Amino acid sequence: KAGVTQTPRYLIKTRGQQVTLSCSPISGHRSVSWYQQTPGQGLQFLFEYFSETQRNKGNFPGRFSGRQFSNSRSEMNVSTLELGDSALYLCASSQDSLNTEAFFGQGTRLTVV
Amino acid sequence: QQQVKQSPQSLIVQKGGISIINCAYENTAFDYFPWYQQFPGKGPALLIAIRPDVSEKKEGRFTISFNKSAKQFSLHIMDSQPGDSATYFCAASRGYQKVTFGTGTKLQVIP
Repeated sequence: KAGVTQTPRYLIKTRGQQVTLSCSPISGHRSVSWYQQTPGQGLQFLFEYFSETQRNKGNFPGRFSGRQFSNSRSEMNVSTLELGDSALYLCASSQDSLNTEAFFGQGTRLTVV
Repeated sequence: QQQVKQSPQSLIVQKGGISIINCAYENTAFDYFPWYQQFPGKGPALLIAIRPDVSEKKEGRFTISFNKSAKQFSLHIMDSQPGDSATYFCAASRGYQKVTFGTGTKLQVIP
């Protein structure tokens, strides 16, 4: 069974640009969550999608958005990038998010210069 | 009320020793407490999880101890090995709500 796949693995963007990250969950998993990981703030929850609907949202500005497609694949978008957006962005999938095991991808390392 | 406080921030243990990482939570509605292990360059991986209806859960060398009244839970790694060197995160969640993670503990097991 293939794991959670995130693309791209590494990305360098300039301040003010926008970026789209992609996540393919494990087959059969309908819940996809996104996290931002930084050395200072740890793992911060961004949002969670279940069956194409955003079910939970963290405390991030509106520049951070996401969506989920009918095949459960998910994308997150960050507009007007800031230097502070440099982080490892992790996606996790689960069959549903009700206290079931979440499987993480390897993440996308975003560097904003 | 959504915080999960984790300590210590870093830990050095000799091979064969016991590694202990502690977490405390505030929200009594949390009902699922997983521990994740993360190696450099990898995403976190679920290690072991517990629900508040049990006080202890053991899987191999890894044990979670849960104290509902104190709102604390801890991870014990028995017979720690150099391969256990990683960052460990505790977490808590309730139902369909977001998972709240602790700040992480970087464990180094020295030979």
